[in-house]
Amino acid sequence: GAVVSQHPSWVICKSGTSVKIECRSLDFQATTMFWYRQFPKQSLMLMATSNEGSKATYEQGVEKDKFLINHASLTLSTLTVTSAHPEDSSFYICSASPWSGVDTQYFGPGTRLTVL
Amino acid sequence: AQSVAQPEDQVNVAEGNPLTVKCTYSVSGNPYLFWYVQYPNRGLQFLLKYITGDNLVKGSYGFEAEFNKSQTSFHLKKPSALVSDSALYFCAVREGENKLSFGAGTTVTVRA
Repeated sequence: GAVVSQHPSWVICKSGTSVKIECRSLDFQATTMFWYRQFPKQSLMLMATSNEGSKATYEQGVEKDKFLINHASLTLSTLTVTSAHPEDSSFYICSASPWSGVDTQYFGPGTRLTVL
Repeated sequence: AQSVAQPEDQVNVAEGNPLTVKCTYSVSGNPYLFWYVQYPNRGLQFLLKYITGDNLVKGSYGFEAEFNKSQTSFHLKKPSALVSDSALYFCAVREGENKLSFGAGTTVTVRA
């Protein structure tokens, strides 16, 4: 149980285009979802936290107009990277929790984004 | 701000030998500490957490961690490492209600 999927697992796009990444909780309802960014050989950096039906809470320094997060249902959250640039290339990871708070998080396998 | 540090980028051990992955923390108040493991092409998996209580916490896959307040450490240990334990390990600390701050990660390689 407690499986979180991400789609796509990897994506290559041209600079200036937008890319949408989906995060789904497959066997539980996710009250809270989190989006992280991981650079090579570096740690996970929290980008934003979202609760179903509410606006996402973004971490300081994360552009909310560039990284659009939608938590439309209890099993789906999407991250859209708008007008992507090469510096947005990274590994994006989502996690989901059946409750509020961070103590119980189930992580997705990640999405590798490469912007040419 | 709460933070954790993992002083070793890499740990190499032989199969069957004890494995230790180090983590130190810097927090105000009581720390809520976690260990996660990341296998290639798979999501982070929860190993164990310390909230309160016994300083020795037992977790998944035979791992345990010892909370040491005087040394501000929360080292992950396994008495006998397996080749399948080769992965990237992250220590994390709860920061507020809705945020985990992760260490930089330690790559563990267990050689047969």
